[in-house]
Amino acid sequence: NAGVTQTPKFRILKIGQSMTLQCTQDMNHNYMYWYRQDPGMGLKLIYYSVGAGITDKGEVPNGYNVSRSTTEDFPLRLELAAPSQTSVYFCASSYEGGVTGELFFGEGSRLTVL
Amino acid sequence: EDQVTQSPEALRLQEGESSSLNCSYTVSGLRGLFWYRQDPGKGPEFLFTLYSAGEEKEKERLKATLTKKESFLHITAPKPEDSATYLCAVPPGSNDYKLSFGAGTTVTVRA
Repeated sequence: NAGVTQTPKFRILKIGQSMTLQCTQDMNHNYMYWYRQDPGMGLKLIYYSVGAGITDKGEVPNGYNVSRSTTEDFPLRLELAAPSQTSVYFCASSYEGGVTGELFFGEGSRLTVL
Repeated sequence: EDQVTQSPEALRLQEGESSSLNCSYTVSGLRGLFWYRQDPGKGPEFLFTLYSAGEEKEKERLKATLTKKESFLHITAPKPEDSATYLCAVPPGSNDYKLSFGAGTTVTVRA
């Protein structure tokens, strides 16, 4: 099993550009999440999904969009990139919801917006 | 309001020098407290789940404990390979799907 795979690992964007961060998992998990991690700030939840076709906002959803057309894939779309979106993005999945709490994380995507 | 606060922000230890990390939380009706380890350039990796006050979990040199207001991660006789950032997280009281993470404690163990 590959677990949770994120692409790209690194990306530099210019202000106003758009891009999609890809996330796929091969563990047949229903729950998937996107977090961003800034220095000294901890992980902040952007969006999450409890199954294909179902998504919901987290703590910091502004400037982002998601879709969940399959169980495996949960892409994160950045529209009109801004410097404030410079961060490390982590995708995660879990078999059950937060009751068990065991999230499986990808290795992250480091995004710089200049 | 932050639901999870970790201290200290950074901890530098000599190999073999035991110490503890703190995670305090403010959510009511705690549904579990989770510890993760994060190595540089990697995603967090699950360590423990604690569900009730008085509960303890151990893994190698790590032991996690839980009270009604905080959790401690004790590192006994640490080795350089224990160097990492340790994160704790709790589900907010109203929603089981999300986890609120603390900012983490970065532990550096020198040989």
